[in-house]
Amino acid sequence: DARVTQTPRHKVTEMGQEVTMRCQPILGHNTVFWYRQTMMQGLELLAYFRNRAPLDDSGMPKDRFSAEMPDATLATLKIQPSEPRDSAVYFCASALKSGGPYNEQFFGPGTRLTVL
Amino acid sequence: KNQVEQSPQSLIILEGKNCTLQCNYTVSPFSNLRWYKQDTGRGPVSLTIMTFSENTKSNGRYTATLDADTKQSSLHITASQLSDSASYICVVSPYNNNDMRFGAGTRLTVKP
Repeated sequence: DARVTQTPRHKVTEMGQEVTMRCQPILGHNTVFWYRQTMMQGLELLAYFRNRAPLDDSGMPKDRFSAEMPDATLATLKIQPSEPRDSAVYFCASALKSGGPYNEQFFGPGTRLTVL
Repeated sequence: KNQVEQSPQSLIILEGKNCTLQCNYTVSPFSNLRWYKQDTGRGPVSLTIMTFSENTKSNGRYTATLDADTKQSSLHITASQLSDSASYICVVSPYNNNDMRFGAGTRLTVKP
């Protein structure tokens, strides 16, 4: 049963601490997305990768957020230093970009981050 | 201003009834429109994806329609079930498939 996995599922930390969230995309998928969801803003695209290369991270606060794909099976989203306004659910999604008009994205269960 | 507007914000219906959710967008040029279902505490799950040339797409009891001229889409749920209680999110992609614009969602509650 292929699915996107994310760890940790929940994270509570104090302001100023470093937070690392991990995502394992579906095997064979070549595109990985990071989203943030809050009650106020809804879903927002932070960044995405294709074949491990970052294609767009314009939605991400560059001064404190960083996203990487060390290999095809792991994507990471890091916040350093974390702030209370970063509290949200962070979703990872993966897709297989083909020659068709669109690529279906499969979402992971999310990491619920609370920054005190 | 959000380029994707959904209505109603929330909706309560009785089990077995039908309902229709609306999505209006101003995204242009338009590539495709998606409807997602998001259960509480879970990630969104794709229900339908339509390109600008498609008028309707069905997935079981879910039927999405698209009018690219008026920039409106609707999601019709037939014979609702308790498990349909969730948020339904409309997502529109402009020219770049991965540059997605999200609606705020409609929160549907199905009561017995």
